[in-house]
Amino acid sequence: GAGVSQSPSNKVTEKGKDVELRCDPISGHTALYWYRQSLGQGLEFLIYFQGNSAPDKSGLPSDRFSAERTGGSVSTLTIQRTQQEDSAVYLCASSLILAGGISGTDTQYFGPGTRLTVL
Amino acid sequence: DQQVKQNSPSLSVQEGRISILNCDYTNSMFDYFLWYKKYPAEGPTFLISISSIKDKNEDGRFTVFLNKSAKHLSLHIVPSQPGDSAVYFCAASTQEGGGADGLTFGKGTHLIIQP
Repeated sequence: GAGVSQSPSNKVTEKGKDVELRCDPISGHTALYWYRQSLGQGLEFLIYFQGNSAPDKSGLPSDRFSAERTGGSVSTLTIQRTQQEDSAVYLCASSLILAGGISGTDTQYFGPGTRLTVL
Repeated sequence: DQQVKQNSPSLSVQEGRISILNCDYTNSMFDYFLWYKKYPAEGPTFLISISSIKDKNEDGRFTVFLNKSAKHLSLHIVPSQPGDSAVYFCAASTQEGGGADGLTFGKGTHLIIQP
């Protein structure tokens, strides 16, 4: 089946503009994660969605960042009033969480990412 | 503060030889450790994992070793093949799969397999 998809693949924007990044998880996966990778750094965890539960937003870098997940499937990450330090690759991952946490079912599968450049 | 450290930004290994990638962590609450492989312009792909109740896990050419007392893990690839050239990320979590805290990643090691 199809893997995790993200759009757009590349986004160039001007400082101060808002951007919206989209993630389509693997069908049936209940858990969805957002990460970002700045130049020369590892992946930084941003936010996690499990089913329709409200996410913990404490990992988001600032209040300019918000994320939502509609109907327990597609997710959007919105960055308002973008700054140059927001330039990074934004990665989405999904996983299948089965009741009881059966080992081996929780692997996170990543999308190809959205490369955001703020000029 | 970096909770997961990969101190070698790059590693060059001859084809057919063993590649050993190292990773250190500081958070004693981590119970699950994973290795991901990443090619340019692609997302990371899961390679192998280990839980803290084990000290070794093997999958084909890939073996992960965990030394919990030293807070150190390593990935062994043998024999190394040209297609193994990629960036390898070490990751850790307190819950299997990541959970509400996600995965904590190192900065990665760029493995280059020389023909």
